[in-house]
Amino acid sequence: EVQLVESGGGLVQPGGSLRLSCAASGFTFSSYWMHWVRQAPGKGLVWVSRMNSDGGSTYYADSVKGRFTISRDNAKNTLYLQMNSLRAEDTAVYYCARAVNGRADYWGQGTLVTVSS
Amino acid sequence: QSVLTQPPSVSGAPGQRVTISCTVSSSNIGAGYDVHWYQQLPGTAPKLLIYANNNRPSGVPDRFSGSKSGTSASLAITGLQAEDEADYYCQSSDSSLSGWVFGGGTKLTVL
Repeated sequence: EVQLVESGGGLVQPGGSLRLSCAASGFTFSSYWMHWVRQAPGKGLVWVSRMNSDGGSTYYADSVKGRFTISRDNAKNTLYLQMNSLRAEDTAVYYCARAVNGRADYWGQGTLVTVSS
Repeated sequence: QSVLTQPPSVSGAPGQRVTISCTVSSSNIGAGYDVHWYQQLPGTAPKLLIYANNNRPSGVPDRFSGSKSGTSASLAITGLQAEDEADYYCQSSDSSLSGWVFGGGTKLTVL
């Protein structure tokens, strides 16, 4: 059974940092591109970042470029999102998602990040 | 501002048919890129509902169907049920096929 379990969310002050993790199981993690998608409270889904299967290629939404870094450890079956210089508008539930042919076929349950003083 | 435009809300009575549109305001769909649909039940993560315009993953009832024509895609739900009440999102790829774009979401209310 495919499982994606996010962790690392919490309350952080503006300007602070947080690292999210997404532990994958039930599939060959190293074969799949992975994405982060976020959802602000009461709002819609917004794509954040993606990484290809071997970690050699990354891409970011303009809103997080230069502040967020996506990475992965295929030996540990884990995807990461390092978030620096956090702003109030980064407050959201962050989902990791497995990608197949341009779509998310599996999603994690999400982890809530709250940026507030 | 999303480049995929959905109506904020739709509603229908049990047993009825509803459709949700997803209209592109840039060229990513018109270029032949696939559109995918997700269902998000209250308090849960999104779930893939329709992929590549008109395909259902295993386990999705055939009451759900998708279509795409030109710069517009649609999700149709027939035989509406109370448990269909959810938010629905369309998604495609950006013009460089590097990232994803989502529609703003449509809240379906079953009357």
